[in-house]
Amino acid sequence: GAGVSQSPRYKVAKRGQDVALRCDPISGHVSLFWYQQALGQGPEFLTYFQNEAQLDKSGLPSDRFFAERPEGSVSTLKIQRTQQEDSAVYLCASSLAGPGGKLFFGSGTQLSVL
Amino acid sequence: AQSVTQPDIHITVSEGASLELRCNYSYGATPYLFWYVQSPGQGLQLLLKYFSGDTLVQGIKGFEAEFKRSQSSFNLRKPSVHWSDAAEYFCAVGDGKSSGDKLTFGTGTRLAVRP
Repeated sequence: GAGVSQSPRYKVAKRGQDVALRCDPISGHVSLFWYQQALGQGPEFLTYFQNEAQLDKSGLPSDRFFAERPEGSVSTLKIQRTQQEDSAVYLCASSLAGPGGKLFFGSGTQLSVL
Repeated sequence: AQSVTQPDIHITVSEGASLELRCNYSYGATPYLFWYVQSPGQGLQLLLKYFSGDTLVQGIKGFEAEFKRSQSSFNLRKPSVHWSDAAEYFCAVGDGKSSGDKLTFGTGTRLAVRP
């Protein structure tokens, strides 16, 4: 596709449910990032992939958060046993490679945990 | 640890007026600095970036920013604002490591434009 695609656009979950958020990066982009943006805040780094390798997961807030990119393309961010504090917009971004590369962001998935 | 401060939460300017959005950063080495814009329901779009060299960088949509090491600032400017510039603006610093751009964002400045 022309840009980074994320689905679903909106997700409502009951507390304790598991959710899976999908990111389709721009074709050929090596690097993929997940960010979390709480209401009224700037995005915060969650994790980074280079191809299928997860090179940095230092931003994942707890072991309930898990991300994968098994074939080096599509990525899934999974949140187990969701909590109210997980409510946020989850942004995915991709870039060609290396530091300083232009990041292309998706429109995000807005997660609301009730 | 790196950090970014955007002291202005909201700014309102009249269409045609000039604009300056402030950004201060904290980083141990020469930073990689970015400005992004986010319109409602849209993803973040890169306006401009600074890595090295000329401290005045030009971006898209008529925006520019100036890197001032002595003030740890990277303020965004535009000489004449258009109504379509109403959006949220984020300043960010990257660590520039080979493992990728782990960006640290400020909390954003929401720009409103008066007709």
